[in-house]
Amino acid sequence: EAGVAQSPRYKIIEKRQSVAFWCNPISGHATLYWYQQILGQGPKLLIQFQNNGVVDDSQLPKDRFSAERLKGVDSTLKIQPAKLEDSAVYLCASSLGGGDNQPQHFGDGTRLSIL
Amino acid sequence: ILNVEQSPQSLHVQEGDSTNFTCSFPSSNFYALHWYRWETAKSPEALFVMTLNGDEKKKGRISATLNTKEGYSYLYIKGSQPEDSATYLCAFRLGGSYIPTFGRGTSLIVHP
Repeated sequence: EAGVAQSPRYKIIEKRQSVAFWCNPISGHATLYWYQQILGQGPKLLIQFQNNGVVDDSQLPKDRFSAERLKGVDSTLKIQPAKLEDSAVYLCASSLGGGDNQPQHFGDGTRLSIL
Repeated sequence: ILNVEQSPQSLHVQEGDSTNFTCSFPSSNFYALHWYRWETAKSPEALFVMTLNGDEKKKGRISATLNTKEGYSYLYIKGSQPEDSATYLCAFRLGGSYIPTFGRGTSLIVHP
């Protein structure tokens, strides 16, 4: 089966600019996650979707971050405006379900550098 | 904020050595623990999902144990190979929560 697809792989922008990341989960996976992984730390969940609904976004900085999964398949994560501390790897993952214990399947991530 | 600790932070071993590392998590209201392997320039790969106290899981030379009463899981690698070099992450889920909390990972380097 095709894995989780993410783009772009790398992005360099200046602070106060905007950026968007795209994720296409594994076909049939209802649950989609966006994580932020800052160097030296573990991945931190930003938002979790079940189909096209938000299950949890308690750790998403909503003043500058937004995410959508309009048709319950692919998803976009946007940062507007970016700050220096947003430099991180942004990982997308999907699983069959969220409430059960299916393992998550991760994409290769987008490495974001803010200048 | 949940405290999920992994130790050691990094580990260098020789090819053929066996090694193990630890993931510690809150011992109350346990739901599940996941182990992932993350090789450089690749995506994290699921290794194990552990849900029951006393669980032991095995995949080739890698195995894991779970003690929910004392709040820890061990990951063992028998006869380490250079291709085992990666960061090993654990993720803890609390009962009633959808949010997985990841540890910082253990970076393993196996020298040929």
